[in-house]
Amino acid sequence: GENVEQHPSTLSVQEGDSAVIKCTYSDSASNYFPWYKQELGKRPQLIIDIRSNVGEKKDQRIAVTLNKTAKHFSLHITETQPEDSAVYFCAASPRPLAGKSTFGDGTTLTVKP
Amino acid sequence: GAVVSQHPSWVICKSGTSVKIECRSLDFQATTMFWYRQFPKQSLMLMATSNEGSKATYEQGVEKDKFLINHASLTLSTLTVTSAHPEDSSFYICSAHEGQGVNYGYTFGSGTRLTVV
Repeated sequence: GENVEQHPSTLSVQEGDSAVIKCTYSDSASNYFPWYKQELGKRPQLIIDIRSNVGEKKDQRIAVTLNKTAKHFSLHITETQPEDSAVYFCAASPRPLAGKSTFGDGTTLTVKP
Repeated sequence: GAVVSQHPSWVICKSGTSVKIECRSLDFQATTMFWYRQFPKQSLMLMATSNEGSKATYEQGVEKDKFLINHASLTLSTLTVTSAHPEDSSFYICSAHEGQGVNYGYTFGSGTRLTVV
């Protein structure tokens, strides 16, 4: 089955700096890669996603890049703000409409004011 | 956007009792729902895939007789933790996919924090 590894497990940055979280996956059949943000005690929320036919996607301060050859994808957050502090999960799915996602172990991001 | 309602948000029960958790898709039909559990500071671990009108598919190591899943309609899936024990204490969360549009992300319920005493 799919195996998703996520690094780092914790990340602390100063407000205004950039944050990068990286994930690798093992199943070459995976073609959908969402990122979720989970605040303490709350549900994960989709913040951005990318499909295998796209190398990069950006939404305001958030961007995701995908290297399908190397089987890795990354989340980039620019101009970080304290409200960006949360746990971020990457995931990989081979069948976006009917399949199930395999999640990374999560990255706890702390943005210091 | 798609909304998944999950109840209860938290529950405390005694060892040996059963607890039912409900997930409803409010504005879409969900033929498939996924049930996860999440221990503190850990990732989401898929427990089972709930399919409307058929038996759920359980992940390896998950006891199907302990975690009963029923998906009787296109908008409701339930997870019943039977004969709960303290080690079952966890955050249980469901997710569903709307199946429409270009957003392939899954919508999560608000989660249920189960504490077994």
